[in-house]
Amino acid sequence: DTGVSQDPRHKITKRGQNVTFRCDPISEHNRLYWYRQTLGQGPEFLTYFQNEAQLEKSRLLSDRFSAERPKGSFSTLEIQRTEQGDSAMYLCASSLGQGRWTEAFFGQGTRLTVV
Amino acid sequence: QKEVEQNSGPLSVPEGAIASLNCTYSDRGSQSFFWYRQYSGKSPELIMFIYSNGDKEDGRFTAQLNKASQYVSLLIRDSQPSDSATYLCAVNIENTGNQFYFGTGTSLTVIP
Repeated sequence: DTGVSQDPRHKITKRGQNVTFRCDPISEHNRLYWYRQTLGQGPEFLTYFQNEAQLEKSRLLSDRFSAERPKGSFSTLEIQRTEQGDSAMYLCASSLGQGRWTEAFFGQGTRLTVV
Repeated sequence: QKEVEQNSGPLSVPEGAIASLNCTYSDRGSQSFFWYRQYSGKSPELIMFIYSNGDKEDGRFTAQLNKASQYVSLLIRDSQPSDSATYLCAVNIENTGNQFYFGTGTSLTVIP
């Protein structure tokens, strides 16, 4: 499978616990994005990497959220001290940055439920 | 004001008809435009992208872009029940990095 891969697909956690999600982009893609989507809404931008550099971070991303892409390949998104409002689908996308823009392809997402 | 606006629907069309989905955007710096299809509980799947004014056709799908009116649309010809999904419009805006701004999506139901 050469698409974007996310793990786990589903995560149920208790409020206050930390969770970490992983995203493996399409291998030649240098750009990686994290989005969050709640029911009935479009994906909301969280953060963006070009290679290993985190170039943008939404103000939606509180201090409890952190993302890394240490070697410019896979990325992790960690949420500390989870809250019920963090329950959502977390989507990762990747693209091959050539010029100013290019199309992005999404993984299957990680559905987080905080109880 | 939201960067991307879509009519949330639901939009219902009979099988075989043309479904027309519309999207407006607020930033004139918008450079590229994308249509994604999302089935319930699944992630968005890229259908089409368009960068230049005019029409772009791919099979049963046609994307139309009018930058002067800040309007992009998606036409689905010969609609099939399998086209029933939420369609998300996304734009990429120059000078805001490379994030994609999404609308809330339009729910389409194709009635057999």
